[in-house]
Amino acid sequence: DAKTTQPTSMDCAEGRAANLPCNHSTISGNEYVYWYRQIHSQGPQYIIHGLKNNETNEMASLIITEDRKSSTLILPHATLRDTAVYYCIVRAPMEYGNKLVFGAGTILRVKS
Amino acid sequence: DSGVTQTPKHLITATGQRVTLRCSPRSGDLSVYWYQQSLDQGLQFLIQYYNGEERAKGNILERFSAQQFPDLHSELNLSSLELGDSALYFCASSTRDGMYEQYFGPGTRLTVT
Repeated sequence: DAKTTQPTSMDCAEGRAANLPCNHSTISGNEYVYWYRQIHSQGPQYIIHGLKNNETNEMASLIITEDRKSSTLILPHATLRDTAVYYCIVRAPMEYGNKLVFGAGTILRVKS
Repeated sequence: DSGVTQTPKHLITATGQRVTLRCSPRSGDLSVYWYQQSLDQGLQFLIQYYNGEERAKGNILERFSAQQFPDLHSELNLSSLELGDSALYFCASSTRDGMYEQYFGPGTRLTVT
């Protein structure tokens, strides 16, 4: 599995866009990028995933560079409730046994 | 609310004891996963079941076991508890096997004293 590198922490002003980077320079052609977040001691929450095209849903946008070596999760209008640990996870499709492997993630602090 | 329920929310027990954690997946989900989150180890995958069958094992101790019942709920059994087993235990579910889009429950906080 490709290794991911994320900043330890980031701050963002409330109402502004939060851009969370993830480096995955060893990603393989069939590996997807997944983003999860965990608000303090709650269960992790799935946000979005993508292979090579940019993706958007009601929560966030995912921008993957053309060479797929890095990606950015964008929360367009961050609120205080978006304060959480954000995990970037790279995984290849498997028929079964699809465990999620969580790293340390990025602590995002949204400030008023 | 993810639709995944876990009971109990909190559990305090003594070393050497045995406990059972329960998980009900989202309606229609066939796959159940268990994860452990401790302060020093982060979130770690323990075990996965799909439609009653064990599919994958992670860093699960021999003192721990799990099963998934015909109604698709799952139980994680922890025995001969040690202080180091104190952690948050999360259950997640997905529609079918082979999916990384998993929906997590609120967790059970286990404290071993």
